[in-house]
Amino acid sequence: DAGVTQSPTHLIKTRGQHVTLRCSPISGHKSVSWYQQVLGQGPQFIFQYYEKEERGRGNFPDRFSARQFPNYSSELNVNALLLGDSALYLCASSPRGGGTNSPLHFGNGTRLTVT
Amino acid sequence: SQQGEEDPQALSIQEGENATMNCSYKTSINNLQWYRQNSGRGLVHLILIRSNEREKHSGRLRVTLDTSKKSSSLLITASRAADTASYFCATDALGGTSYGKLTFGQGTILTVHP
Repeated sequence: DAGVTQSPTHLIKTRGQHVTLRCSPISGHKSVSWYQQVLGQGPQFIFQYYEKEERGRGNFPDRFSARQFPNYSSELNVNALLLGDSALYLCASSPRGGGTNSPLHFGNGTRLTVT
Repeated sequence: SQQGEEDPQALSIQEGENATMNCSYKTSINNLQWYRQNSGRGLVHLILIRSNEREKHSGRLRVTLDTSKKSSSLLITASRAADTASYFCATDALGGTSYGKLTFGQGTILTVHP
């Protein structure tokens, strides 16, 4: 079975530009979460979507937005990129939403570099 | 901010030795999870321990949880060079306002020398 897939794997953008990152969850998983991991630190929660609705939002500015499609895939959008947005963006899926003691299954991430 | 604080930040051992990593957290939890990450790639789930459990085993892994001290430890026995990676603890907060959110520590970098 395919795991969580993310595209693209690497991306270089200029300050002020917009970026869209994509994620396909494991087949049958209805929950998708997005995390940002800055070099040398642990992942930080950005969003969680379950059954196409936003169920959780982390402490990130409104420049960050996301959505989940009917096939449960998801996009993360970041507007007006800053140098500090350079990071590994991780997508994770799980069968259900939170509070169910379900582990997360992560993709290999998208490495975003903002110059 | 990171709820989990991991100790040590880096650990270097020889193959065959045991590796112990510790994690402390601040709020009440549903569960605590440990993940492994190789060279900036995706995280791999290792083990989940619920708040009403005290110890859990999976192969060469042993996890303990002390909710009174808000701490957990991960023991890897008979380590191998292939265990070289970063290890993160993550907490699922009880009654959290962000549904499905995991809070990760900053991780322990484990290096196992052949």
